[in-house]
Amino acid sequence: AQSVTQPDIHITVSEGASLELRCNYSYGATPYLFWYVQSPGQGLQLLLKYFSGDTLVQGIKGFEAEFKRSQSSFNLRKPSVHWSDAAEYFCAVGGEYGGATNKLIFGTGTLLAVQP
Amino acid sequence: DAGVTQSPTHLIKTRGQHVTLRCSPISGHKSVSWYQQVLGQGPQFIFQYYEKEERGRGNFPDRFSARQFPNYSSELNVNALLLGDSALYLCASSLKRTDTQYFGPGTRLTVL
Repeated sequence: AQSVTQPDIHITVSEGASLELRCNYSYGATPYLFWYVQSPGQGLQLLLKYFSGDTLVQGIKGFEAEFKRSQSSFNLRKPSVHWSDAAEYFCAVGGEYGGATNKLIFGTGTLLAVQP
Repeated sequence: DAGVTQSPTHLIKTRGQHVTLRCSPISGHKSVSWYQQVLGQGPQFIFQYYEKEERGRGNFPDRFSARQFPNYSSELNVNALLLGDSALYLCASSLKRTDTQYFGPGTRLTVL
């Protein structure tokens, strides 16, 4: 079955500290992987994506993520967190699977709080 | 360039009523997908339309239906509303069926 697991429901970090949000996936074909961010009451903004090629991908706002096929993981990182990064972060997997449509399967999200 | 737009922003309905939500994709995008996000959860896939045809459907009852128009905008219809239909409904567009999906701000539906 296709699924995405975000083990951390809630994370608090200090401003200026580094951040890593975990994401594990289960998918029957080569996955397309995404990280989206959602501010309260807002839609989803794409941070970065992995389709193929270099396993370390750079995104907006200083975020990066690394695809590790052996661990079925796509963890999101940022070296120095800013107060404006406080939001909910969603990992998603998608792509053509068995000819099926390109639906995105989302994790349950990680809520990031940033303390001064 | 304008992003994905959705209307209305908020909507309050009572049980048993029906609702129509609207979505305009990014200019040039031919695929529209709909997702339901219940409070505290990740979005769940409802439908994908590409070139005006349904290309995929999630695990939602037949009360949910959608269509895509010649200008690639889309409507999501929900009949016989239940309390459990209260959610943020998100529309996403992409150039082609398998491309990156870009999301709109969503429509917040409250069913009383």
